[in-house]
Amino acid sequence: SAVISQKPSRDICQRGTSLTIQCQVDSQVTMMFWYRQQPGQSLTLIATANQGSEATYESGFVIDKFPISRPNLTFSTLTVSNMSPEDSSIYLCSVVGLREKLFFGSGTQLSVL
Amino acid sequence: GENVEQHPSTLSVQEGDSAVIKCTYSDSASNYFPWYKQELGKRPQLIIDIRSNVGEKKDQRIAVTLNKTAKHFSLHITETQPEDSAVYFCAVAKGTYKYIFGTGTRLKVLA
Repeated sequence: SAVISQKPSRDICQRGTSLTIQCQVDSQVTMMFWYRQQPGQSLTLIATANQGSEATYESGFVIDKFPISRPNLTFSTLTVSNMSPEDSSIYLCSVVGLREKLFFGSGTQLSVL
Repeated sequence: GENVEQHPSTLSVQEGDSAVIKCTYSDSASNYFPWYKQELGKRPQLIIDIRSNVGEKKDQRIAVTLNKTAKHFSLHITETQPEDSAVYFCAVAKGTYKYIFGTGTRLKVLA
């Protein structure tokens, strides 16, 4: 499976600020996604990061709040904007890798005070 | 849209016993059913998966069964060990790689 690295691994932020999370894959992948996992909850898809075009957002998520970049086939960023305590979650990037299976990055644990 | 229900939400078993987790889905066009294991503070890890053209798949102590008619699939873990303790998530997808995840099952294996 692909090696998927995320930075930062965790952060504590003040409300009203923004945080950009980076996701780096060690091989080119076509499909890349961003998920949110709220404390003790399941995984919810935020958006599909499309290379060279705007991300495709799921219902309940908007570009102004979660802008996404995908400049090439190995890298993507997710920004959590104007944060509030409700944004405290684990954010995970994921890719479709070998044999069309979904693999997750190491995750970013975000706490908003 | 697709709806995935997962039961039970928590499960405690004695070491060496079997554990079974079940998921039901609503979209008959769904064709891929993976299971993920998430240990505390770690990323979800794919442990086994099954496609809609297969009824059962086994990998050592874990197996997955699929009943397409009833639209449910189950994870079976035999001879459970303390290291099997984790949260398990089922997921459902249909070709677009948009995975819908179940609500999770917290498995505790008691030594």
